[in-house]
Amino acid sequence: EVQLLESGGGLVQPGGSLSLSCAASGFTFNAYGMSWVRQAPGKGLEWVSALSGSGDNTFYTDSVRGRFIISRDNSRNTLYLHMRTLRAEDTALYYCAKHAGISGGDAFDIWGQGTTVTVSS
Amino acid sequence: SYELTQPLSVSVALGQTARITCGGNNIGRTNVHWYQERPGQAPVLVIYRGSDRPSGIPERFSGFTSGNTATLTISRAQAGDEADYYCQVWDGTTVVFGGGTKLTVL
Repeated sequence: EVQLLESGGGLVQPGGSLSLSCAASGFTFNAYGMSWVRQAPGKGLEWVSALSGSGDNTFYTDSVRGRFIISRDNSRNTLYLHMRTLRAEDTALYYCAKHAGISGGDAFDIWGQGTTVTVSS
Repeated sequence: SYELTQPLSVSVALGQTARITCGGNNIGRTNVHWYQERPGQAPVLVIYRGSDRPSGIPERFSGFTSGNTATLTISRAQAGDEADYYCQVWDGTTVVFGGGTKLTVL
């Protein structure tokens, strides 16, 4: 069964750091691009960052560029999101999502259940 | 930056046809994907590349894209179709989601 399992969410103070993980199983992990997508309470979906299967190409939305780093360990079938200088507006449920192919234009065909990040003092 | 515009809400009578639109500049030239998000659940892909349906998605779900508008059509609407629906494209460097449409089945 294809599965994504996020972890690492929690409560962090403004300006703090947090790292999220997404453990993948049931598919050839290094053959697919991966993304992080977040959803603030009561709001819509917002794409955060994407990474190619090899990890060589990364993409970020403007609001997190320079603060967040996406990475992957293909030997461990795990995707990461390292977040620093966190702001209240980063509070959200963070999903990892598998791309259907290698292209950034591919749909997200598998989603995890999400991990919650709360930025508050 | 590229923007996608969706109506905030759409209502449909049980058993009738719902149409949810997604507007974007020349969206007909891109691959548009649609997701269903039921309350408390992760999003699910229902249409990809404008009109293709993943395995397990009922034939009642269909998509069409032309010009500046993409449309998700849900035929014979059921109570279980009540959810938020999002369109999504890739603009070359970033992923863009529409604001989402809440579908209510009356």
